[in-house]
Amino acid sequence: SYVLTQPPSVSVAPGQTARITCGGNNIGSKSVHWYQQKPGQAPVLVVYDDSDRPSGIPERFSGSNSGNTATLTISRVEAGDEADYYCQVWGSSSDHLTAVFGGGTQLTIL
Amino acid sequence: EVHLLESGGGLVQPGGSLRLSCVASGFNFNSYAMSWVRQAPGQGLEWVSAVSGGAGTTYYIDSVKGRFTISRDNSKNTLYLQMNGLRAEDTAIYYCAKDRSGASCYDYWGQGTLVTVSS
Repeated sequence: SYVLTQPPSVSVAPGQTARITCGGNNIGSKSVHWYQQKPGQAPVLVVYDDSDRPSGIPERFSGSNSGNTATLTISRVEAGDEADYYCQVWGSSSDHLTAVFGGGTQLTIL
Repeated sequence: EVHLLESGGGLVQPGGSLRLSCVASGFNFNSYAMSWVRQAPGQGLEWVSAVSGGAGTTYYIDSVKGRFTISRDNSKNTLYLQMNGLRAEDTAIYYCAKDRSGASCYDYWGQGTLVTVSS
């Protein structure tokens, strides 16, 4: 089955740039989506199709995808960005399609 | 405004059954695929199952195939997950999620319903 690998944690100071990676075999050939989840809340889609933002998501959130790594970039990080972030793709398992999530990255604002 | 409301969770013994429901509003329900995603306590997200808008196609993660059945009633704007043969490792919050049109991702999520499998 297809595996997505994320770092367990990333820390950044307010106002700086956070980069969260998502590794997968030839992930650059897939569409990657990113979700933000705050404690006790449902996930929120923040980036889809590698680099598009849903309405209402600040321009500070951006994404890229190439080769074996996709990256979510959060510019000018704020305290309210502290959350868990998950990448997601559709992959194949055995002979059928499945959605796959990365293990998640906890973003800490120092 | 899109709204998804799950129900049906609870405490069940190993080997037991539950049926989860998700009532949708605010969009043309039968035009969108829907999915169930779960999250075990303190763990990450795990996709469980999906069904196409017309209910003709279903997908499952290997660990639930043969035990869980996803379905939908478009006349009632409701998504279901019938869970049989429950195991301790099925303990999780179960979210229903709406597929975003044209993209294989989820743009709206419910608040989730907790399923606990324990004796």
